[in-house]
Amino acid sequence: EAGVAQSPRYKIIEKRQSVAFWCNPISGHATLYWYQQILGQGPKLLIQFQNNGVVDDSQLPKDRFSAERLKGVDSTLKIQPAKLEDSAVYLCASSPGRAGYTFGSGTRLTVV
Amino acid sequence: EDKVVQSPLSLVVHEGDTVTLNCSYEVTNFRSLLWYKQEKKAPTFLFMLTSSGIEKKSGRLSSILDKKELSSILNITATQTGDSAIYLCAVCPRGAQKLVFGQGTRLTINP
Repeated sequence: EAGVAQSPRYKIIEKRQSVAFWCNPISGHATLYWYQQILGQGPKLLIQFQNNGVVDDSQLPKDRFSAERLKGVDSTLKIQPAKLEDSAVYLCASSPGRAGYTFGSGTRLTVV
Repeated sequence: EDKVVQSPLSLVVHEGDTVTLNCSYEVTNFRSLLWYKQEKKAPTFLFMLTSSGIEKKSGRLSSILDKKELSSILNITATQTGDSAIYLCAVCPRGAQKLVFGQGTRLTINP
């Protein structure tokens, strides 16, 4: 089975610019997650989708971050405008239900 | 707020040594605890523990959960340089599918 696909793999932007990340989950996985992992820390959940509905976005900085999951499949995460502290690896994961998380290889964002 | 704490944060040992990594948690309604290995970017699944006292084993790696002490350990015996990675512990609360991660233990195995 194909894994969780993410792009781009790396991105360098200047502060105040905008950036978007894309995720294609494993086919049939209803639940999709975006995690932010700052260097030296564990991943932190930003947003969780069940099909195309938001289940949990309590830790998403909504003044600058937005995410959508069109038709319950692919998802995009956007940051606008970026700050230096947004430098991190952004991990997408998908799950068919109660167990079986699969992570994508992530996007490393550097904000300069 | 659900919380996971791992120790040590960093560990350097020689090839062949045995290591024990620790994870303690506070969660409102516990369902499961998971261990992941992170070498580059994508965490890869190692174990999921739901029952106290039952050891899960895979090759040189093993893990056990102690629900009374709200903790888990991950053991690696006869370590190899390929075991060098960040080991992440996460808990999954009941009623939610999200994972709450600890800060990770960076393990370095020197030849």
